[in-house]
Amino acid sequence: EAQVTQNPRYLITVTGKKLTVTCSQNMNHEYMSWYRQDPGLGLRQIYYSMNVEVTDKGDVPEGYKVSRKEKRNFPLILESPSPNQTSLYFCASSNRQGRTDTQYFGPGTRLTVL
Amino acid sequence: QQPVQSPQAVILREGEDAVINCSSSKALYSVHWYRQKHGEAPVFLMILLKGGEQKGHEKISASFNEKKQQSSLYLTASQLSYSGTYFCGTVPSGSARQLTFGSGTQLTVLP
Repeated sequence: EAQVTQNPRYLITVTGKKLTVTCSQNMNHEYMSWYRQDPGLGLRQIYYSMNVEVTDKGDVPEGYKVSRKEKRNFPLILESPSPNQTSLYFCASSNRQGRTDTQYFGPGTRLTVL
Repeated sequence: QQPVQSPQAVILREGEDAVINCSSSKALYSVHWYRQKHGEAPVFLMILLKGGEQKGHEKISASFNEKKQQSSLYLTASQLSYSGTYFCGTVPSGSARQLTFGSGTQLTVLP
């Protein structure tokens, strides 16, 4: 089954404790991205990757890191989480650049930073 | 810069029609529409490319006026299953910038 998976689905952590949210897709998509969703603000892009080893900042990249060492994986790293990073996070992938193609979203990761 | 969606919320009865608007301050290459049900991931509805074409998906259709940098989503004879939050996403012309989503329109269809 074609899908985007994220782990963990729920995470409660404390300020400053490094964490990684994994994202994996099995559709051989080139383009992957991370979004955060907050009430009233919609989906805001954090980072995106157009292919292996090619990443770029989205609209709200501060406090996040990403890497794309393999085509299927695109982990999101919070090196020193803060309470304002409490949010619902979605990973997405699409076949090409994402400008004209359907984006497939993962199930989401609800992160709480205390 | 996020596109602006209107209205922010709409409540209607089953069988009624609704229109959701999306506007941008920039010239657009494409407009994307997604629907998200509560507790779930957004799901693709359709993409419109510049050229002003209108696309359809069951009883949901959309138009794209590239001169006005606006898109509208039309929900005809709404069903209970249409309830959810609708997001438009825009890609500006002549830019490497990626998809930027609006803040969403919450649609509630009542029996």
